Amino acid sequence: EVQLVESGGGLVQPGGSLRLSCAASGFIFSSYEMNWVRQAPGKGLEWVSYISSSGTAIYYADSVQGRFTISRDNAKSSLFLQMNSLRAEDTATYYCAREGAGYNPFDYWGQGTLVTVSS
Amino acid sequence: DIQMTQSPSSLSASVGDRVTITCRASQSISRYLNWFQQKPGTAPKLLIYAASSFQSGVPSRFTGSGSGTDFTLTISSLQPEDFATYYCQQTYNTPRTFGQGTKLEIK
Repeated sequence: EVQLVESGGGLVQPGGSLRLSCAASGFIFSSYEMNWVRQAPGKGLEWVSYISSSGTAIYYADSVQGRFTISRDNAKSSLFLQMNSLRAEDTATYYCAREGAGYNPFDYWGQGTLVTVSS
Repeated sequence: DIQMTQSPSSLSASVGDRVTITCRASQSISRYLNWFQQKPGTAPKLLIYAASSFQSGVPSRFTGSGSGTDFTLTISSLQPEDFATYYCQQTYNTPRTFGQGTKLEIK
């Protein structure tokens, strides 16, 4: 069974940092591209970042470019999101999502981890 | 960036109704279009990928169609568990943009 489990969320002050993790199981992690998606309270879904299966191709939303860093450890089947210079508008539930083959569907999602940026 | 525009933003319907949600891309995305269902407090669930392919386990009352810039999600006969928010998403390129969502409510 495919499982994605996020962790690392919490309350952080503006300007602070946080590192999110996503532990994957039930599939060959190194074969899949991965993404982070966030959802502010009461709002819609916002794509945040993408990383290729090998980690060599990485993309970010403009809203997080230069502040967030996506990475992965294929040996440990883990995905990460390092978030620096956090702002109030980064407050959201952060989901990791697996990107399937072919037409790149986000076919499996974690349960999400809540990040709250507030003083 | 490719913009995804869903309509309507909200919709009231009754059990048994047929409903259609539309999604328009700001440029051609071929069939790189996915539909998700999200219920409060839970992660999005993939319903339809590649515009019209069913994700495993999704009831056949959900159908997707379209290509290029115009797409639709149709629920043929609404069931109580279908009241949720629906999102389209393009995965033609990055950023992998989502529509703003359509909230389907009970009339």
